[in-house]
Amino acid sequence: SYVLTQPPSVSVAPGKTARITCGGNNIESKSVHWYQQKPGQAPVLVIYYDSGRPSGIPERFSGSNSENTATLTINRVEAGDEADYYCQVWDSSGDHPYVFGTGTKVTVL
Amino acid sequence: QVQLVESGGGVVQPGRSLRLSCAASGFTFSTYGMHWVRQAPGKGLEWVATVWPDGSKEYYVDSVKGRFTISRDNYMNTLYLQMNSLRADDTAVYYCARTDSSSYFFEYWGQGTLVTVSS
Repeated sequence: SYVLTQPPSVSVAPGKTARITCGGNNIESKSVHWYQQKPGQAPVLVIYYDSGRPSGIPERFSGSNSENTATLTINRVEAGDEADYYCQVWDSSGDHPYVFGTGTKVTVL
Repeated sequence: QVQLVESGGGVVQPGRSLRLSCAASGFTFSTYGMHWVRQAPGKGLEWVATVWPDGSKEYYVDSVKGRFTISRDNYMNTLYLQMNSLRADDTAVYYCARTDSSSYFFEYWGQGTLVTVSS
């Protein structure tokens, strides 16, 4: 089945930019979605279809997808952005249509 | 607004059964695919099962095939997960989730219900 790989952790100072990568075979041919999960809470969709932003998600959050890597970028990082972030794709090739990445813990220094 | 409220979690012995429910409101339940996603303690998200809007098709992760059954009642706007032959590695928070109309991503999530399988 399809595998999505993320770095376990990313650390960033307040006000700086955090970039979270999501790698997968030929991922640029798929649509990538991103979720934020704070401790003890359910995941929240922050980016859909590579770069779409749901209503209520700050413009500081953006996404891109090219050349085997999808990236979630958080500009002007705030303390409240500290959370786990997961990428996800829909994979039509197997019996497991919904695949999540391994998750990245973003720590705001 | 869309609301998904899970219930039915708890502590259960290995080999026993449990049924989770998810009460949906704020949208036309019968027109959306519905899903269960779980998260073991300290681990990442894992898709568990999907049922089509009309209940005609179901999909499962390999580890639960033959043990779990997803179903829905479109009159009661409720999603279910019947979990049989539970194992310790089924211990997790179970989230009910609704995809968008294309069914490619999870647009809404419930708050989750904890299932602990332990003797």
